Amino acid sequence: QVQLQESGPGLMKPSQTLSLTCIVSGGSTRSSAYNWGWFRQHPGKGLEWIGHIYYSGSTYYSPSLESRVTVSLDTSKNQFSLKLSSVTAADSAVYYCARTHRGGGLLPFDSWGRGTLVTVSS
Amino acid sequence: DIQMTQSPSTLSASVGDRVTITCRASQTIDIYLAWYQLKPGKAPKLLIYRASALESGVPSRFSGSGSGTEFTLTISSLQPDDFATYSCQQYNISPITFGQGTRLEIK
Repeated sequence: QVQLQESGPGLMKPSQTLSLTCIVSGGSTRSSAYNWGWFRQHPGKGLEWIGHIYYSGSTYYSPSLESRVTVSLDTSKNQFSLKLSSVTAADSAVYYCARTHRGGGLLPFDSWGRGTLVTVSS
Repeated sequence: DIQMTQSPSTLSASVGDRVTITCRASQTIDIYLAWYQLKPGKAPKLLIYRASALESGVPSRFSGSGSGTEFTLTISSLQPDDFATYSCQQYNISPITFGQGTRLEIK
């Protein structure tokens, strides 16, 4: 069974670039059957989609974050990453990585990491 | 963006109760609706996808229904492990959006 684990800095200062990595085990990022995504949840709020990447390398981003976000796939390390530039306190949240169901077309995310808390504070 | 509105925001119930949570979309999303169970410090758990398909390994007391703009998640007989937050998600039209969550608490 696939497992995903987020890793990141925890605490950051405003204007820095957030870099998060999702390490995948029990499954391969080389597979053409899956897509990989990033989400976040602010305290007391609902989940928010950030973006995702297809096995082909095509990326899709939330319009509200698109100008600051990059999602990339590193199949050699079996992981994928999120970069969010120019962070502010509003980017403080729990960040999750996830994988879609196997298949094509419109798919839900069936495997998730436990999340990593990112706090932006001066 | 498609707005997803869940009701109620909080639901108090007892073990053995049957509960229903509603999710409304601001425009039609066909059947591309998923339900997740959220617990602090744990990975979100997919329960239902395509509005009514039960995810593998999820107990049959969970069921989903609906299409278009109105959807429901029903838990037929609450178990202690079911007290959590439940969130709907539409994945029909980008950007993917979620409901604000329904917190299911013990009465």
